[in-house]
Amino acid sequence: KQEVTQIPAALSVPEGENLVLNCSFTDSAIYNLQWFRQDPGKGLTSLLLIQSSQREQTSGRLNASLDKSSGRSTLYIAASQPGDSATYLCAGEGAQKLVFGQGTRLTINP
Amino acid sequence: GAGVSQSPSNKVTEKGKDVELRCDPISGHTALYWYRQSLGQGLEFLIYFQGNSAPDKSGLPSDRFSAERTGGSVSTLTIQRTQQEDSAVYLCASSLPQGYGYTFGSGTRLTVV
Repeated sequence: KQEVTQIPAALSVPEGENLVLNCSFTDSAIYNLQWFRQDPGKGLTSLLLIQSSQREQTSGRLNASLDKSSGRSTLYIAASQPGDSATYLCAGEGAQKLVFGQGTRLTINP
Repeated sequence: GAGVSQSPSNKVTEKGKDVELRCDPISGHTALYWYRQSLGQGLEFLIYFQGNSAPDKSGLPSDRFSAERTGGSVSTLTIQRTQQEDSAVYLCASSLPQGYGYTFGSGTRLTVV
């Protein structure tokens, strides 16, 4: 059974810092890994999708990597801004469903 | 449509009543998923549709929960005899065949009083 863990559960940093969010999964047979953002009271917004044959994806100030052999993914956020404050969720796809971590609640302080 | 549409966005119901939640996926997406997010909890998988069939119903928490999908498009999640523990945000997602990522709707916030 796939289990996804995210560390840290919460993170508060000053504006402008670069930061890394971590995600680990137990089943290396994961197919894809997707990072989402969730604002309070809202649905999930897809940030980055790393497909099975890929090792990383980049979008603007975001970069996500995937290492299946070690069961880890990281989301790197460069030059953080207050608007980046949200909960970040990673999810691994296997057996036709996404399994989610509990999320990292990120606060960027002006 | 451009995205996954869910309705209603908010629903308050009395304990014991039945409710129906609707999901309209992205046109052409063959796969559809329902998840539940309880207050302070992670996302819990409920059910998966491929076309009109539901090969995986393993996440439905009890026989009070059922879902159907018609015409390979719109899906409804029905909760019968609602209980207070059913209060949560119910999220729907759709996708192309495996490997292209999931798109989520904004969810239905269900409150059972």
